[in-house]
Order: sequence, then structure tokens, then C-alpha cells
Amino acid sequence: LAKTTQPISMDSYEGQEVNITCSHNNIATNDYITWYQQFPSQGPRFIIQGYKTKVTNEVASLFIPADRKSSTLSLPRVSLSDTAVYYCLARGAGTALIFGKGTTLSVSS
Amino acid sequence: EAQVTQNPRYLITVTGKKLTVTCSQNMNHEYMSWYRQDPGLGLRQIYYSMNVEVTDKGDVPEGYKVSRKEKRNFPLILESPSPNQTSLYFCASSLLNPGTSNYEQYFGPGTRLTVT
Repeated sequence: LAKTTQPISMDSYEGQEVNITCSHNNIATNDYITWYQQFPSQGPRFIIQGYKTKVTNEVASLFIPADRKSSTLSLPRVSLSDTAVYYCLARGAGTALIFGKGTTLSVSS
Repeated sequence: EAQVTQNPRYLITVTGKKLTVTCSQNMNHEYMSWYRQDPGLGLRQIYYSMNVEVTDKGDVPEGYKVSRKEKRNFPLILESPSPNQTSLYFCASSLLNPGTSNYEQYFGPGTRLTVT
């Protein structure tokens, strides 16, 4: 059963790059790694998804090493509006989905 | 507008009184899912459905029922709610199984349930 582990919280300042690492030791061979962002009182929102190496979109980058046992979400030049909870997602038994407990990112000015 | 809707958004009820939280999506998605969110525990999947008449248990299915009679709807049923089911509930949908293919999940706005 896949399980994800992330830091509980991180602090940053505006303009800095933030890297959040998630470990997923038992990820299945054909599974993607997905990250979501959640603001208070809202549903999670998809940020980025990848299978291996590096994926980049207009919001973030995702780095996945060759062994795929971990992944790192990179947020370039964060702003106050990036303050949120970030979840790493993997697949559990069968097709159940397992969210981690999330990383609360606090960005200060 | 593509969206997932949930009703009601807020609900206070008493122990043992059956309730249903509705979920509907207008994107013709096959995959739908229910999660509960509790402080310190993150999001936990309750039930999911791969398509009409196909449902399966997630991480925390005890005390819940679901049905998928139509593609767009996926109601969550609490036959006999208890205080430990007080939580924030989210419904989500995606085009295909989001764990094995490159499709994102769309989440509803959430339903805050209090059971006294």
C-alpha cells in the first residue's frame, strides 16, 4: 500500500524558491505522482503531475528521481498568495487514492 | 462552466438521523470520489466510483454508503450518523482513474457536517 510522507510545515519569504519533498516508497510502477494545493475552506486544486524526471508548468516544477521513491515540488519566487496546504498524492491498494497529511506553507513578507 | 457541486454546504444534524449529501459533476467524468478532511489527518478517501454501478471502498468507508446510478451523480449516504463523522467532506471527479493516467481531479466546494 503506497503511503506518502511530507514535512508538516514550511516557512518562507516572498520571492524565495520553495521546495517540498514527498517520499512514496511503495509507489506502483505505472503510477503518476500528483500534487494539489488547498486554500482554507476550499477544495484542493491540481498543481502538477509527473511520472519521471522533470515536469514544469506555469505554476511549478516537479522533480522525480530515477528510483521514483520521492518527488520534489518546486515553487519559484513564492508570494503571499502561495500560503496554502500542499498535498502529495499516490495510489493505494487497487485504485484507492491516498493523500498525505499535507505540508502547510506559510509565506511572509 | 465545468464544475463539481455539493449540497448542502453546511449541515447540522443529530446522531442516528439518516442524511444524504449530493454530488454532481457536469464534465462527463467517469471517476468520482468522496473524501473527508479532519484536522491533522489530511484528506482521506471514503469511497470512489470508476463508472456507473461501479463503486469501491477507499481508506475510511465505515459508516458510509454511496451509489452511482447516473454518471453525473455520486451521493454520499450516512445511514446512522455519529459524532465521529463530524467533518469536512469533499466530492471530486476526473476523466479517468487519476492514479494511473495523466488526469486531474476536480473538487467540489465541500460540505461541513456536524453531528451532535
